[in-house]
Amino acid sequence: GQQLNQSPQSMFIQEGEDVSMNCTSSSIFNTWLWYKQDPGEGPVLLIALYKAGELTSNGRLTAQFGITRKDSFLNISASIPSDVGIYFCAGQQGGSEKLVFGKGTKLTVNP
Amino acid sequence: EPEVTQTPSHQVTQMGQEVILRCVPISNHLYFYWYRQILGQKVEFLVSFYNNEISEKSEIFDDQFSVERPDGSNFTLKIRSTKLEDSAMYFCASSSQGEKLFFGSGTQLSVL
Repeated sequence: GQQLNQSPQSMFIQEGEDVSMNCTSSSIFNTWLWYKQDPGEGPVLLIALYKAGELTSNGRLTAQFGITRKDSFLNISASIPSDVGIYFCAGQQGGSEKLVFGKGTKLTVNP
Repeated sequence: EPEVTQTPSHQVTQMGQEVILRCVPISNHLYFYWYRQILGQKVEFLVSFYNNEISEKSEIFDDQFSVERPDGSNFTLKIRSTKLEDSAMYFCASSSQGEKLFFGSGTQLSVL
């Protein structure tokens, strides 16, 4: 079935550092979404990508939809303590309404 | 800002009991979903609902599960006879066009 391989599994960084995480798949996706989840809460949408090669920013966050349509990355610049959480990539394939989620990247930011 | 609301936030039930999880999607959205997340694992798709019918479901969504939109605002997930392995956080989501999904805060279901 469709699987998204998300890496790294966890990251420990200092406040102010930049962060990069990515998702890859052996399957093609038409839409890539990046979500952040805080403990006990639902995923919150950060960025949505709809076209291969698309690069989209949301404040300090930047995400790209890979040219092959099989990968996406998320960058966070100048991290702050409130960036702590689990970041999930999610993809949607043509003809399907479901989102396939990656296993998440747990981010810890040390002040 | 409009949001998806879910009730209850926590539900504890005995194995074999029926539970109904409730959701109020964002008011002008047309697509509705249920996902679940077992502790420490990734979010998994259960079912999507559009135009008053199920449009897609996963293998997890067996005959014990059902969904309903009983009125113009609520969207419910019913588990007929709960099993231990149904314990998870259940998330409702909605979308206006089937692309960007907005999630609720979830219902933590514990089956004892």
